[in-house]
Amino acid sequence: NAGVMQNPRHLVRRRGQEARLRCSPMKGHSHVYWYRQLPEEGLKFMVYLQKENIIDESGMPKERFSAEFPKEGPSILRIQQVVRGDSAAYFCASSPGTEKNIQYFGAGTRLSVL
Amino acid sequence: DQQVKQNSPSLSVQEGRISILNCDYTNSMFDYFLWYKKYPAEGPTFLISISSIKDKNEDGRFTVFLNKSAKHLSLHIVPSQPGDSAVYFCAASDWDSNYQLIWGAGTKLIIKP
Repeated sequence: NAGVMQNPRHLVRRRGQEARLRCSPMKGHSHVYWYRQLPEEGLKFMVYLQKENIIDESGMPKERFSAEFPKEGPSILRIQQVVRGDSAAYFCASSPGTEKNIQYFGAGTRLSVL
Repeated sequence: DQQVKQNSPSLSVQEGRISILNCDYTNSMFDYFLWYKKYPAEGPTFLISISSIKDKNEDGRFTVFLNKSAKHLSLHIVPSQPGDSAVYFCAASDWDSNYQLIWGAGTKLIIKP
């Protein structure tokens, strides 16, 4: 039973480029969450999605960031025109429909913006 | 505005002794608390949780205590083992948006042989 899979593990982008981070939830999980972690800090909630729906994006920056969880395929976190401040670890988590509190995390994508 | 605080960035404990990690919160609406463990280059792994209707939850070597009046919780690990060396995060959620976990900054636990 594979866990939450994130790819790529490391992503290097130059300022102004686009970053696409992918997340496949655990089998049977239909709820996906994205978090961002800056160095020496805890994780910060970004967005909560169910299949084809954004439930809560209150933690997402208003510009350049978007997320989707299509009917088929992984969830995607997209960052357009990246800036140095976007450098962070981005974690995806998933949960089954009935236990939202316990979230299971992927290994994360470490984004470095040059 | 840090709603969940872990004031000790690191903690060093002798193998076999008890490790006590602390967490304070400010939001009285929090009703569910979780501890996660994280190794370098990996994602957080769920360890143990507690609902606000309880003051203690135990799972093997791990026990979480909740003091609602003090808005404080602690994780006890006994006996501590070398594999317990990791960063431990405290997280909380409230009844209104119970999926949105609010995280502390973490405590790095080092178990000395």
